[in-house]
Amino acid sequence: SAVISQKPSRDICQRGTSLTIQCQVDSQVTMMFWYRQQPGQSLTLIATANQGSEATYESGFVIDKFPISRPNLTFSTLTVSNMSPEDSSIYLCSVSGGWGEGANVLTFGAGSRLTVL
Amino acid sequence: GENVEQHPSTLSVQEGDSAVIKCTYSDSASNYFPWYKQELGKGPQLIIDIRSNVGEKKDQRIAVTLNKTAKHFSLHITETQPEDSAVYFCAASSRNAGNMLTFGGGTRLMVKP
Repeated sequence: SAVISQKPSRDICQRGTSLTIQCQVDSQVTMMFWYRQQPGQSLTLIATANQGSEATYESGFVIDKFPISRPNLTFSTLTVSNMSPEDSSIYLCSVSGGWGEGANVLTFGAGSRLTVL
Repeated sequence: GENVEQHPSTLSVQEGDSAVIKCTYSDSASNYFPWYKQELGKGPQLIIDIRSNVGEKKDQRIAVTLNKTAKHFSLHITETQPEDSAVYFCAASSRNAGNMLTFGGGTRLMVKP
């Protein structure tokens, strides 16, 4: 399965600032996703990062708050904009296993733990 | 859309005992059911999965069972060890939702030595 590297692994941020999280995959992948995991909670899909086009956002998430880039098939970034303490979460990058039955088999990065003061 | 309920939210067992975690799903079109293990400070890791064309799958000490009629599936861990302590998430994927995964709320498993 793909190996995913996320940076930063953790950060402490001030209210009102923005932070960009990077996700690097060791192989070309079609589908990349960004998830949020609030403290003690489950995983919620933020958006699908589409290569060469705008990301597809899930209900409750908007591009102005979570802009996403996907310049190629191995890299994506998620920015958390104008942060508030409610944005304190783990942000996870994931990729799917490809086509057919592999399309819904997800591999996750280690996550980026953000604390907003 | 799909809704996945997971129980219990916490589970404490003695080393060597078995642990069972149960999930129910709402969308009868769901056809893929993975289980993820998340250790502290790490991302979720796929440990076993099952598709709707089988009723049970086993991999060493872990097994998953699926009851499509009742729309529930379970994770069974036998001979638990302290290193099994983690948060476990079930998920379901439906063609109606573009094969996207919907996750359960998670179960924190604690294995006491």
